[in-house]
Amino acid sequence: GAGVSQTPSNKVTEKGKYVELRCDPISGHTALYWYRQSLGQGPEFLIYFQGTGAADDSGLPNDRFFAVRPEGSVSTLKIQRTERGDSAVYLCASSLTPDRVNTEAFFGQGTRLTVV
Amino acid sequence: DQQVKQNSPSLSVQEGRISILNCDYTNSMFDYFLWYKKYPAEGPTFLISISSIKDKNEDGRFTVFLNKSAKHLSLHIVPSQPGDSAVYFCAATHSGAGSYQLTFGKGTKLSVIP
Repeated sequence: GAGVSQTPSNKVTEKGKYVELRCDPISGHTALYWYRQSLGQGPEFLIYFQGTGAADDSGLPNDRFFAVRPEGSVSTLKIQRTERGDSAVYLCASSLTPDRVNTEAFFGQGTRLTVV
Repeated sequence: DQQVKQNSPSLSVQEGRISILNCDYTNSMFDYFLWYKKYPAEGPTFLISISSIKDKNEDGRFTVFLNKSAKHLSLHIVPSQPGDSAVYFCAATHSGAGSYQLTFGKGTKLSVIP
């Protein structure tokens, strides 16, 4: 597709379960970012990939959160032992190159995660 | 501590009038500023950006003004249209940090009344 695609759109899971959220960036975009938006807040940075490697994971809240991008395209955000506080919209964005985020990054529609 | 602040949670404007959305920041290392627009159930959409070496950038009905000494920027929409009704996020980044992460404000919900 032409834009950033995220699946699933909605995910409801029980506390303690493991979840995976997927992001398909725009074709050819080398930089990929994950953000989390809690209710009433702006998006908060989680992790940034340049190619296959995580160039900055300083925003991951704890070791229950992990993300991969094995082939430099699709990325998966993995959350272990989910907690109710993990409930949020998880947004993925991509840009042609990392420095292009300074002028624009394209966001997906997000995955709404609800932990019950 | 919030580094990017949007102090007005909401704003209502009559169609055809000017909408002014404000944003303040505390980190003097920020050197690029962006505005994003978000409709419900959609991801944020890039609107306009400005480098810290400029004080104004214009794109059609949208103009962003930057006052570095006051650490303040604003987005002007003229004339406002009902389709502009959305949540607007101000974001900032420090290009020299090498991480390219965006720091967002909490957003301002704009309602343009026909």
